[in-house]
Amino acid sequence: SAVISQKPSRDICQRGTSLTIQCQVDSQVTMMFWYRQQPGQSLTLIATANQGSEATYESGFVIDKFPISRPNLTFSTLTVSNMSPEDSSIYLCSGAGGYTGELFFGEGSRLTVL
Amino acid sequence: GNSVTQMEGPVTLSEEAFLTINCTYTATGYPSLFWYVQYPGEGLQLLLKATKADDKGSNKGFEATYRKETTSFHLEKGSVQVSDSAVYFCALSEDKFYFGSGTKLNVKP
Repeated sequence: SAVISQKPSRDICQRGTSLTIQCQVDSQVTMMFWYRQQPGQSLTLIATANQGSEATYESGFVIDKFPISRPNLTFSTLTVSNMSPEDSSIYLCSGAGGYTGELFFGEGSRLTVL
Repeated sequence: GNSVTQMEGPVTLSEEAFLTINCTYTATGYPSLFWYVQYPGEGLQLLLKATKADDKGSNKGFEATYRKETTSFHLEKGSVQVSDSAVYFCALSEDKFYFGSGTKLNVKP
C-alpha cells in the first residue's frame, strides 16, 4: 500500500493566524486530495491537488481560505488561512493511484484554533 | 447524484457478538465499494473492498458483499473483539470518493 506522511500531526493555533500542513506521498500515488473531518463527522473533500497548477476546489471551499500547492508528484501543502475556531478539525491528506483504485490516507493533522 | 448512507451509531456490542453495519448507496454508474476503519487518534485505513456486483470483500474476519439489486454493501463480522472498537466508514468510488457518515463501534469485554 502507499505510504502517506503528514505533518504536523497536531497543533494549537491562535485565531487569525495561518497554518501550513505538509503531505509527502510515495511514488505509487498519482492523485492527491485534501479532506476535512470535523469532530464526530464524516469526511468532506476540500480539493484535488493538481501537480503544477491550481487545485480544484469543491463547493464551499475557496483558494483564499485554503491555498493548496503541489509542486511535484509526491508533495503537497494545504494552508488554513486566517483561522477561526470553526476551522478546528482534522485535515487529511489522501492519495490514489496504481491499479487498486484505493484511496490511501495520512494519519491526519488535528488542528485546534483558540 | 452519488451518495452513501450508513446506519447511525454508536453501536455497542459485547465481545464475541455478531456485527452488522448497514450501508446502502446511490450511484449513476458502476462504482467500486469500500469499507474504511478509523481507530482512535489515527487516519483511515482500508478494511476491504469490492469492485463489481456479487464480489465479496474480506479482511480480518470482516466481510461485505456488493449487492447491486439492493444497492447495499453491509459490513459483517461473526465475532467482534475489543480491538475492533473504531469508526467504520462505507464509501463508493466513481468519479471521486463519496463517504458515509461513519458508524462508531464500541465493543465491551
